[in-house]
Amino acid sequence: DTAVSQTPKYLVTQMGNDKSIKCEQNLGHDTMYWYKQDSKKFLKIMFSYNNKELIINETVPNRFSPKSPDKAHLNLHINSLELGDSAVYFCASSHLGQVHEAFFGQGTRLTVV
Amino acid sequence: QQPVQSPQAVILREGEDAVINCSSSKALYSVHWYRQKHGEAPVFLMILLKGGEQKGHEKISASFNEKKQQSSLYLTASQLSYSGTYFCGTEGGDTDKLIFGTGTRLQVFP
Repeated sequence: DTAVSQTPKYLVTQMGNDKSIKCEQNLGHDTMYWYKQDSKKFLKIMFSYNNKELIINETVPNRFSPKSPDKAHLNLHINSLELGDSAVYFCASSHLGQVHEAFFGQGTRLTVV
Repeated sequence: QQPVQSPQAVILREGEDAVINCSSSKALYSVHWYRQKHGEAPVFLMILLKGGEQKGHEKISASFNEKKQQSSLYLTASQLSYSGTYFCGTEGGDTDKLIFGTGTRLQVFP
């Protein structure tokens, strides 16, 4: 059983389109994250979300929005895709608090053409 | 503020040692270390809490100097399987956000 799963694994789309990436975790964690990994391999946090609070990285354009239907899911919606959005997006989850390891999904490679 | 790692890249022969440093401009509550192999997701190695804690994982160990806001990862007698990009992840006292460092690419050759 996959602990953190993302779909799709690859996503190729045209500029201007709207797309979603889904993330599900079956670990019973209460905090989930989205990270963007660019071509230089930097892992930048986009959002962290638990039952009570959504923390948004202020550098993330508002074209990106997380949607959490329940504790086990945190989907990423992207509107009006731009070339610069091309990257690998990772979902991760952990228990709430500062001493717990994060488990990552396998990543979604988004290519905007 | 993203922690800074040094060096950016390391090339080793099997059996050699390496040290990767992670430095933050903010006070830290904990430091995580992860390894990411090419084309894969980051995988957790260890967590260190404030207080000078040291941890070990196989022949990989780490230390955390809370006062200096620094952590170091020590790879001893490196193996081919150690190749990958290493990230430190830091958490400040006022947030649950896990912020990753700039990454260190490690390549081990036979």
